[in-house]
Amino acid sequence: AQSVTQPDIHITVSEGASLELRCNYSYGATPYLFWYVQSPGQGLQLLLKYFSGDTLVQGIKGFEAEFKRSQSSFNLRKPSVHWSDAAEYFCAVGAQEDRGSTLGRLYFGRGTQLTVWP
Amino acid sequence: ETGVTQTPRHLVMGMTNKKSLKCEQHLGHNAMYWYKQSAKKPLELMFVYNFKEQTENNSVPSRFSPECPNSSHLFLHLHTLQPEDSALYLCASSQGVGRPEQYFGPGTRLTVT
Repeated sequence: AQSVTQPDIHITVSEGASLELRCNYSYGATPYLFWYVQSPGQGLQLLLKYFSGDTLVQGIKGFEAEFKRSQSSFNLRKPSVHWSDAAEYFCAVGAQEDRGSTLGRLYFGRGTQLTVWP
Repeated sequence: ETGVTQTPRHLVMGMTNKKSLKCEQHLGHNAMYWYKQSAKKPLELMFVYNFKEQTENNSVPSRFSPECPNSSHLFLHLHTLQPEDSALYLCASSQGVGRPEQYFGPGTRLTVT
């Protein structure tokens, strides 16, 4: 069964500190992987995506993520956090192959809430 | 970001009311989705439409009725809702095969009184 685990429900960091948000997935196929960010009362914004190729992908707002197949992980990182990064972050996985009814479906983690201290 | 719009942004309705949520995507995508996001719960996929055809219905109660008249518009018709249906309802769209990244609207905050 497909699943995404974000082990940290809530993370607090100081502004300027580095950040790593963890994501592990279980998927019986070659995955597409995504990170989304959601500010309060807003929709989800796509931060970055991994389809194939270089396992280190760059996204918007200075974020990057590394795909590690051996660990089934896709952790999100940022070298220096800004107060405006405070939000909820969601990891998601989807199928690369056409699987009929699962076509286009994404599976989301439960999210990690990021608080940034000034 | 105006690729996917949703109206209204906020809605308060009584349990006997009938209302509709509207979603429109301006991205030329072929697939559209309704999600429910409740506090302290994971994002729940409700319905999936590909090329106007419903391809997924995740055991959603019949008081929620989706409609997809074309690839750009998606509606969620609501009637006789329950207080536990209060949530943020998110619409998303994607290109489909080979381009599964979904783009979300800002959501409709629904409160059922």
